[in-house]
Amino acid sequence: NAGVTQTPKFRVLKTGQSMTLLCAQDMNHEYMYWYRQDPGMGLRLIHYSVGEGTTAKGEVPDGYNVSRLKKQNFLLGLESAAPSQTSVYFCASTRGGTGYNEQFFGPGTRLTVL
Amino acid sequence: GNSVTQMEGPVTLSEEAFLTINCTYTATGYPSLFWYVQYPGEGLQLLLKATKADDKGSNKGFEATYRKETTSFHLEKGSVQVSDSAVYFCALSDRGLGAGGTSYGKLTFGQGTILTVHP
Repeated sequence: NAGVTQTPKFRVLKTGQSMTLLCAQDMNHEYMYWYRQDPGMGLRLIHYSVGEGTTAKGEVPDGYNVSRLKKQNFLLGLESAAPSQTSVYFCASTRGGTGYNEQFFGPGTRLTVL
Repeated sequence: GNSVTQMEGPVTLSEEAFLTINCTYTATGYPSLFWYVQYPGEGLQLLLKATKADDKGSNKGFEATYRKETTSFHLEKGSVQVSDSAVYFCALSDRGLGAGGTSYGKLTFGQGTILTVHP
């Protein structure tokens, strides 16, 4: 099993450009999440999904959109990138349902917006 | 709302030293508590967890006890190794929120503590 994979690993954008980050998991997990990691701020939840075709806003959703057309994939889009979106982005997934299931994280995407 | 506060880093220790990283939390419900570890260039991995008061989570020589009375979940290890150098995150997941009484597993993280262990 590959677990949670993310593409690309690195990307440099100019202000105003758009891009999509792809997250894929092969564990048949129901719930998926997108976080951003900034120095001194831990990880903050951007958007999440509790099943195919569903999405919901997290703590810092502005400037991002997401889609979950297939259970195994969760896409994060930046329509018009801004320097404030320079960050490391992590995708995670978990089995879902009741209980306290471990979240599994991808290796991250380092994004720089100039 | 929920919040997690960790001791400020970075923490620098010599090999075989004792480690404590403090973590306190504020939660509206009765949370589960976690420690995640991030090795250089990698994503986060679950290190240990505790789901109710007085539970002790343990893994790889690390321990943390869920203290409801002090709202704390301090991470300890008796003898650190160079391979323990990483960033450590305390986190909580609240329950009882959202439809069906589930919080959808959302995590609230502390800011992270960088640990460096020298030979």
